Amino acid sequence: AQKITQTQPGMFVQEKEAVTLDCTYDTSDQSYGLFWYKQPSSGEMIFLIYQGSYDEQNATEGRYSLNFQKARKSANLVISASQLGDSAMYFCAMRDGAGGYNKLIFGAGTRLAVHP
Amino acid sequence: DVKVTQSSRYLVKRTGEKVFLECVQDMDHENMFWYRQDPGLGLRLIYFSYDVKMKEKGDIPEGYSVSREKKERFSLILESASTNQTSMYLCASASTDRFNQPQHFGDGTRLSIL
Repeated sequence: AQKITQTQPGMFVQEKEAVTLDCTYDTSDQSYGLFWYKQPSSGEMIFLIYQGSYDEQNATEGRYSLNFQKARKSANLVISASQLGDSAMYFCAMRDGAGGYNKLIFGAGTRLAVHP
Repeated sequence: DVKVTQSSRYLVKRTGEKVFLECVQDMDHENMFWYRQDPGLGLRLIYFSYDVKMKEKGDIPEGYSVSREKKERFSLILESASTNQTSMYLCASASTDRFNQPQHFGDGTRLSIL
């Protein structure tokens, strides 16, 4: 069965420093996609970044980058130059290649606190 | 921009009541989803729909039903609300056009069953 594991329930980082949020996944599919979402305390889910299983380069979106290690089945989110507004829950999710409905499986999430 | 609108941000209902949560999207997406979010468990899929009047059970469908009479609207129904259904409910929509398309979420409904 497919599974997403986020082993860090909570993390904290000093403002302006970089932080890595861990995500490992389990799938037998060759074709899959990995997503990261941010959820501030207000509740909305904000899409951050996507990595496809066949992408040769690590995805980057502004201050967000993905450290994708396919052999280890990990897709860690790196946030550079942390800001106070980065304090939120972060979810890793996987879309499996078999389903045609764009279904996602989510991890339990990591709560990030950015300290001034 | 994609807009997914959930009818209520906060809702308080009583045990045994029939509860309706409404979700509307404006991007003509084929797929719509209902999740519940609980601390330490992430988001769990309740039901999803891939077309009008078509629905599939997710991982935790017990105690819930859904309705999709129009493409833009997807409703979650708690037939007889119970206290263990107190949770955050999130609706999402997505296109099937491309593999890398993210799901787009509403702001969520915090539902309390007393």
